Amino acid sequence: DGGITQSPKYLFRKEGQNVTLSCEQNLNHDAMYWYRQDPGQGLRLIYYSQIVNDFQKGDIAEGYSVSREKKESFPLTVTSAQKNPTAFYLCASSTGDTVNTEAFFGQGTRLTVV
Amino acid sequence: QKEVEQNSGPLSVPEGAIASLNCTYSDRVSQSFFWYRQYSGKSPELIMSIYSNGDKEDGRFTAQLNKASQYVSLLIRDSQPSDSATYLCAVKVIRDDKIIFGKGTRLHILP
Repeated sequence: DGGITQSPKYLFRKEGQNVTLSCEQNLNHDAMYWYRQDPGQGLRLIYYSQIVNDFQKGDIAEGYSVSREKKESFPLTVTSAQKNPTAFYLCASSTGDTVNTEAFFGQGTRLTVV
Repeated sequence: QKEVEQNSGPLSVPEGAIASLNCTYSDRVSQSFFWYRQYSGKSPELIMSIYSNGDKEDGRFTAQLNKASQYVSLLIRDSQPSDSATYLCAVKVIRDDKIIFGKGTRLHILP
């Protein structure tokens, strides 16, 4: 089945540790996105990538890093520099075409700092 | 000015009535517009996409776009309790392919 897979579903991190969230898609989409959602809030864009080996900062990139070495994969690293990392993280992908550009989401990773 | 604005709600609508959700956006070069539904603790799922001015209907859902007024809306006819969720408006801008979301409107369908 085609889709977007995020792992793990739940993740616990000690303060001061870096953690990497996985996002894989088999939809052959060019564009991929990472969003953060806090309770009762909308989605805020962290990073996005329109093509392999290229990515751009979103609105809240500080404390995060990404890579796009393969079309299918767009992992997000939450670094120790991120002061308040506890949140629901959502990965999405889209075709990147002029039309039919809707984004489809993975199931999300819920990160908790303990 | 925020890029995508929605009334946070909650919006309470009786079962069987029409629910009307509104969204305004600030970037005039916005190209594509989307409505997503999100249940608590779940990821957003796409309901409608609209790219040109006017109405677009899909089952009980109708999206309306007015680019001159920078306004997009979603109508849900014959509202059902299962429609109770948060509805997110999203906008894609031409110049950088970012997809920006509003904070969402919580909809509650009253049985």
